[in-house]
Amino acid sequence: DTEVTQTPKHLVMGMTNKKSLKCEQHMGHRAMYWYKQKAKKPPELMFVYSYEKLSINESVPSRFSPECPNSSLLNLHLHALQPEDSALYLCASSQEPRARGPNTGELFFGEGSRLTVL
Amino acid sequence: SQQGEEDPQALSIQEGENATMNCSYKTSINNLQWYRQNSGRGLVHLILIRSNEREKHSGRLRVTLDTSKKSSSLLITASRAADTASYFCATDNTGGFKTIFGAGTRLFVKA
Repeated sequence: DTEVTQTPKHLVMGMTNKKSLKCEQHMGHRAMYWYKQKAKKPPELMFVYSYEKLSINESVPSRFSPECPNSSLLNLHLHALQPEDSALYLCASSQEPRARGPNTGELFFGEGSRLTVL
Repeated sequence: SQQGEEDPQALSIQEGENATMNCSYKTSINNLQWYRQNSGRGLVHLILIRSNEREKHSGRLRVTLDTSKKSSSLLITASRAADTASYFCATDNTGGFKTIFGAGTRLFVKA
């Protein structure tokens, strides 16, 4: 069982809809991530938050809007998506990478939210 | 952008055999990790090896790292049907947050 919880598991939306993906972790991790994964491809990094501040945006289109309301929650707001945005969206968390410890660097993933854009 | 390239892309073996997957990367790294993903599900961390380590073991897993060749291998011994999954290497080359995944190897273990 994963300690990172993502909701919803499945989402179907039209191109004019506004929806949100949610992610929650209670491991005390201070870094949280969004990855996008297309079928038979590796996960691609989208956003990274550290201490609730956006640290990395991998040139993601503005129709994807991340939000980190507190250290346990991470949202991804979706608006005016395209059919090619259909994918598995994975949330992950980790210890703050600059901290030193034996497990620094390990990512804990949720099960993902499978998004279909019609 | 993709940091690691994996070889082979797909591997089919019989239960009980060993499976070896290779990963090559392009830039210097702080650590290299291996993850497993069952079809359509989240990734599970298997093992992390730091740039100053050469070999690491965890149960039936053995990972090697050759920083001079910028390559790593994952060996799964005595494979089981339940090992059927995709395996990804991932590198953290900035000492920060950018963990980038390789293309992955799809492993099929036949019972």
